[in-house]
Amino acid sequence: DTGVSQDPRHKITKRGQNVTFRCDPISEHNRLYWYRQTLGQGPEFLTYFQNEAQLEKSRLLSDRFSAERPKGSFSTLEIQRTEQGDSAMYLCASSFGGGGTDTQYFGPGTRLTVL
Amino acid sequence: EDQVTQSPEALRLQEGESSSLNCSYTVSGLRGLFWYRQDPGKGPEFLFTLYSAGEEKEKERLKATLTKKESFLHITAPKPEDSATYLCAVQTRHLNTGNQFYFGTGTSLTVIP
Repeated sequence: DTGVSQDPRHKITKRGQNVTFRCDPISEHNRLYWYRQTLGQGPEFLTYFQNEAQLEKSRLLSDRFSAERPKGSFSTLEIQRTEQGDSAMYLCASSFGGGGTDTQYFGPGTRLTVL
Repeated sequence: EDQVTQSPEALRLQEGESSSLNCSYTVSGLRGLFWYRQDPGKGPEFLFTLYSAGEEKEKERLKATLTKKESFLHITAPKPEDSATYLCAVQTRHLNTGNQFYFGTGTSLTVIP
């Protein structure tokens, strides 16, 4: 399977704990995106990387959220001191961006439940 | 403010009953409009990218069209396996903010056998 993969697929945690998610993009893709999706809503953009550089970050993104893509391949999204409002599906997407239109391919998502 | 609105929120069709889903947008600096299909509990699956007004793309029973203000996803003779949520997204680019991506809330399609 050469698609986008995410790990874990499900995560249940207690409020106040830190969690980290991993995303492995399609191998030849240089751009990687993180989104959050709640029930009945479309994905909400969080941040994106071109290679290892974090180029855009949503103004809505709390300081408790941090993302890295250290070698321009896989990426991690960490949420510190989780809150119940963080419960959502976290989606990763990748694309081969050359400066124009950017078609993104999504992974299966990580479902986070904060108790 | 950039905005994407999809209608209807939900649509029930009989098998074989053709219809259209709408995605209207008010954005500046449109770089592309995308359609995705999403099944419950899964990530969105890419369907189409449209770049400019007047463009059309087809895949099996689906056809996407684009004007300067909206896009339509036409479903011809749908089958039960077409049941899913269909998401529309736009890519914009502004001088101060760079690339931005906005999704609509989707249309939940149910096709009844």
